[in-house]
Amino acid sequence: RKEVEQDPGPFNVPEGATVAFNCTYSNSASQSFFWYRQDCRKEPKLLMSVYSSGNEDGRFTAQLNRASQYISLLIRDSKLSDSATYLCVVNRLNQGGKLIFGQGTELSVKP
Amino acid sequence: NAGVTQTPKFQVLKTGQSMTLQCAQDMNHNSMYWYRQDPGMGLRLIYYSASEGTTDKGEVPNGYNVSRLNKREFSLRLESAAPSQTSVYFCASRVAGGGYNEQFFGPGTRLTVL
Repeated sequence: RKEVEQDPGPFNVPEGATVAFNCTYSNSASQSFFWYRQDCRKEPKLLMSVYSSGNEDGRFTAQLNRASQYISLLIRDSKLSDSATYLCVVNRLNQGGKLIFGQGTELSVKP
Repeated sequence: NAGVTQTPKFQVLKTGQSMTLQCAQDMNHNSMYWYRQDPGMGLRLIYYSASEGTTDKGEVPNGYNVSRLNKREFSLRLESAAPSQTSVYFCASRVAGGGYNEQFFGPGTRLTVL
């Protein structure tokens, strides 16, 4: 079983839709959690960190449930420019900054 | 600032050939990383360097070697390339220190081994 698992999709949604991505992690020692965005054939870039109390950045909301070892990302009012692959990422304390990546969830927003 | 740069962008090798992938960062970051990305597998850590002068194995180090040449540069070497090493290779860097610091990625090297 992979340490970080995501539904690979693809998710095909119309503009303006709300879409939610889920992610589970298996190592309870995981300490920090993130969503990265990767555009086609480009490098990953940090979208947002995920905090225990949940956090929002504009149209994006991230949630963390440590008890269930579950992370989510909600995108409201989807834009064409949101089309990308979203990577769920975890980091363990004192591990030299090593990141563990999920396989990514592909999102395609259509007009 | 150029951020993280990688060369070459594309490379085709024959089985058994060797090559070195170059990575450099101009952000004065302490830690540097090499990942490979394969379809359906996500990014997997090959090697990392927590600070200048140190290197450690990641999840998939077999078939690779690394050199942290100085604070700016971290190279990845394939001594005898195999088709299983066909992948996209990303280099990344971070400040390091207390807590988490964002990793910044280079544009990637697309390697095909025939």
